[in-house]
Amino acid sequence: SAVISQKPSRDICQRGTSLTIQCQVDSQVTMMFWYRQQPGQSLTLIATANQGSEATYESGFVIDKFPISRPNLTFSTLTVSNMSPEDSSIYLCSVEERQSSYEQYFGPGTRLTVT
Amino acid sequence: DQQVKQNSPSLSVQEGRISILNCDYTNSMFDYFLWYKKYPAEGPTFLISISSIKDKNEDGRFTVFLNKSAKHLSLHIVPSQPGDSAVYFCAASTSSNTGKLIFGQGTTLQVKP
Repeated sequence: SAVISQKPSRDICQRGTSLTIQCQVDSQVTMMFWYRQQPGQSLTLIATANQGSEATYESGFVIDKFPISRPNLTFSTLTVSNMSPEDSSIYLCSVEERQSSYEQYFGPGTRLTVT
Repeated sequence: DQQVKQNSPSLSVQEGRISILNCDYTNSMFDYFLWYKKYPAEGPTFLISISSIKDKNEDGRFTVFLNKSAKHLSLHIVPSQPGDSAVYFCAASTSSNTGKLIFGQGTTLQVKP
């Protein structure tokens, strides 16, 4: 399966600031996704990162708060904007190696703490 | 509305015995189910999956059973090993939106030597 890396692995940020998380895959993939895992909660899909077009956001998530880029088939970024303590979570990117294959493979995650 | 539920937050078993992790779902449109394992400070790792056209799928020590009428699936690990100690998530998806995985809350499995 694809090898996925994320930067940074963790960060502590002040409220009101923004953080950009990078996701790099070692091979070209069709689909990339961004998830959030809040403390003690399950994983929730934020958006699908579409190559060459705007991301598709799930209910409850908006582009102004979580802008996403996907400039090519191996890289994506998620920005958490105007952060508040409620944004403290683990953010994970995942990939679907083959379109409509269901199985997703996850990066190691970025642990964000907002003070 | 929690569409995928794992009602047992934790499970403890002895090494060599069977571990059974359970998952219930409410959405009858789900037609594909997956299990992931997660160690601390790592991302979830895909373990095994099952399509709704099957009732069992086996891969080595891991077997997933699906009971569509009860909207219930389970993951059996036999024999359990200390390295299996982790958080296990079940997830579900539909063929109309394969990219959207709906996850349960997770069950923490501890396998005691």
